[in-house]
Amino acid sequence: QVHLVESGGGVVQPGRSRRLSCAASGFTFSDYGMHWVRQAPGKGLEWVAIISYDGSNEYYADSVKGRFTVSRDNSKNILYLQMNSLRAEDTAVYYCAQDYCSGGACYVFAYWGQGTLVTVSS
Amino acid sequence: EIVMTQSPATLSVSPGERGTLSCRASQSVSSNLAWYQQKLGQAPRLLIYGASTRATGIPARFSGSGSGTEFTLTISSLQSEDFAVYYCQQNNDWPPTFGQGTRLEIK
Repeated sequence: QVHLVESGGGVVQPGRSRRLSCAASGFTFSDYGMHWVRQAPGKGLEWVAIISYDGSNEYYADSVKGRFTVSRDNSKNILYLQMNSLRAEDTAVYYCAQDYCSGGACYVFAYWGQGTLVTVSS
Repeated sequence: EIVMTQSPATLSVSPGERGTLSCRASQSVSSNLAWYQQKLGQAPRLLIYGASTRATGIPARFSGSGSGTEFTLTISSLQSEDFAVYYCQQNNDWPPTFGQGTRLEIK
């Protein structure tokens, strides 16, 4: 049974940094690409970033490119999102999600964590 | 990027009746279309991928259809647990994009 648990959310001042974590279990973590998807309060879903199964490739939404970095530790089954230069518009629940396709990336979000709320405010 | 537009924004249906949700893409996404269900305070759940394939554990009352730019999610006989927000998402072109959601509420 796939289980994803995010942590690291909280209140952070504009311009500061925050690192989110996503602990994975119930599947072979190193076989799957992993995503971050966010949802601003009362709004819809926005894809943020993907990292390939082996960590060799990363892609980002234009809205976060150059500020956010996704990484993973396959020895610990943990996914990370380093968020720098945070802005008010980054306020959202951040979800980690497993890509549906093993060994590749098909950008279908098969399983989701419960999310962690990041609030950017002074 | 491809813009996904869902209609209606809110759909009111009585339990036991059929619910039909629509999703339109600004350009063709072939059959690379997924549907998600999100209940209040919960994470989204994958329902349908490839426009018409049910994900693991999804009841048969959920069905998806369409290709190109027009897609439909049908719930054949609504149960109380089906009242939620539904999102479509295209995975044909990068970046992946979501519709704004349809809220399915009890009539």
